[in-house]
Amino acid sequence: KQEVTQIPAALSVPEGENLVLNCSFTDSAIYNLQWFRQDPGKGLTSLLLIQSSQREQTSGRLNASLDKSSGRSTLYIAASQPGDSATYLCAVNTGANSKLTFGKGITLSVRP
Amino acid sequence: KAGVTQTPRYLIKTRGQQVTLSCSPISGHRSVSWYQQTPGQGLQFLFEYFSETQRNKGNFPGRFSGRQFSNSRSEMNVSTLELGDSALYLCASSSDRGYGYGYTFGSGTRLTVV
Repeated sequence: KQEVTQIPAALSVPEGENLVLNCSFTDSAIYNLQWFRQDPGKGLTSLLLIQSSQREQTSGRLNASLDKSSGRSTLYIAASQPGDSATYLCAVNTGANSKLTFGKGITLSVRP
Repeated sequence: KAGVTQTPRYLIKTRGQQVTLSCSPISGHRSVSWYQQTPGQGLQFLFEYFSETQRNKGNFPGRFSGRQFSNSRSEMNVSTLELGDSALYLCASSSDRGYGYGYTFGSGTRLTVV
């Protein structure tokens, strides 16, 4: 059974800091991994999708890496801004049963 | 290009009632999945429909059911509501079963059971 862990549950940083959010998963047989952002009371916004054959994906100030063999992914946020404050979730798609397995998320607060 | 549309956005129901939630996927997407999000359990998979067929189901009681129509729109039904069913219900669509493509989520339906 796939399990996804995101630690810590919450993080507070000053504006401008570069930061790394971690995600680990127990079963390395994945099809892809997706990072989402969720604002309070809202739905999920897809940030980055990494296929199992890829090592990283970039979008603007965001960079996500994937190391399947070690069961890890990281989301790097450069030059953080208060508008980045949200909960960040990683989700793994093992493909066999077409469902995403989510971590509990990391609630990020960027202080002005 | 329109995103995933969920209606209604908010619902308040009484214990014992039933409720139906609707999800319209992105045009051309045939896969629709439903998730329940609660503070304690996080995001949990309910079921997935692909071309009107339920392909996978999570560990939820039979009170939770769904269906998909020929236009890929999906509905989720919860019967005999319990207080613990209060949650944000999210729908996601994908162009296939998600193997090579990501999922796009709707804004969710906030269900409160009183």
